[in-house]
Amino acid sequence: KAGVTQTPRYLIKTRGQQVTLSCSPISGHRSVSWYQQTPGQGLQFLFEYFSETQRNKGNFPGRFSGRQFSNSRSEMNVSTLELGDSALYLCASSPRLAGDLADTQYFGPGTRLTVL
Amino acid sequence: DAKTTQPPSMDCAEGRAANLPCNHSTISGNEYVYWYRQIHSQGPQYIIHGLKNNETNEMASLIITEDRKSSTLILPHATLRDTAVYYCIVRGRDNYGQNFVFGPGTRLSVLP
Repeated sequence: KAGVTQTPRYLIKTRGQQVTLSCSPISGHRSVSWYQQTPGQGLQFLFEYFSETQRNKGNFPGRFSGRQFSNSRSEMNVSTLELGDSALYLCASSPRLAGDLADTQYFGPGTRLTVL
Repeated sequence: DAKTTQPPSMDCAEGRAANLPCNHSTISGNEYVYWYRQIHSQGPQYIIHGLKNNETNEMASLIITEDRKSSTLILPHATLRDTAVYYCIVRGRDNYGQNFVFGPGTRLSVLP
């Protein structure tokens, strides 16, 4: 079974621009979560989508948004980019069995975003 | 904040067992312990998880103490490719619902 795929793998943008990142989950997985990883803050949870609805959200400004399509693929968008948005953005998918805490997340390779 | 405490770094000789400890003294009864690892600039890789019984798979073994306040991840025969940051995570709820909270992890260096 193919793993989680993310596109593009690398991206360079300038301040003020916006960016859209894409994530294709493992076949059959209905939940997609997004994380930001920086050297200073480590891995931080952005949000989770399940059945095309945002279920959980981390402590990030409204410039960070996302969506999920009917085929479970997800995109995240960052508007008005700042230098501090430079990071590795990771997507993780899981089956998301309702009410089941033992719900393993499988991560993609990430998209490395550099903001100049 | 992460609910776990791990040593920042450890060394292990190639071919020997690597034992990575994790303290999670505030774990609640329905929370699972998960282990992931991250090789430089790659996405985290799932290793193993457990609730209260010891678990083993093709990658590692997870030993959870009877009081569930700590656990140990064991890589039985470490290789150079096991050099990575290892994250111990207690899966539970925070203000935003269920998600994984990653701490700084343990940087394991496997030495030849």
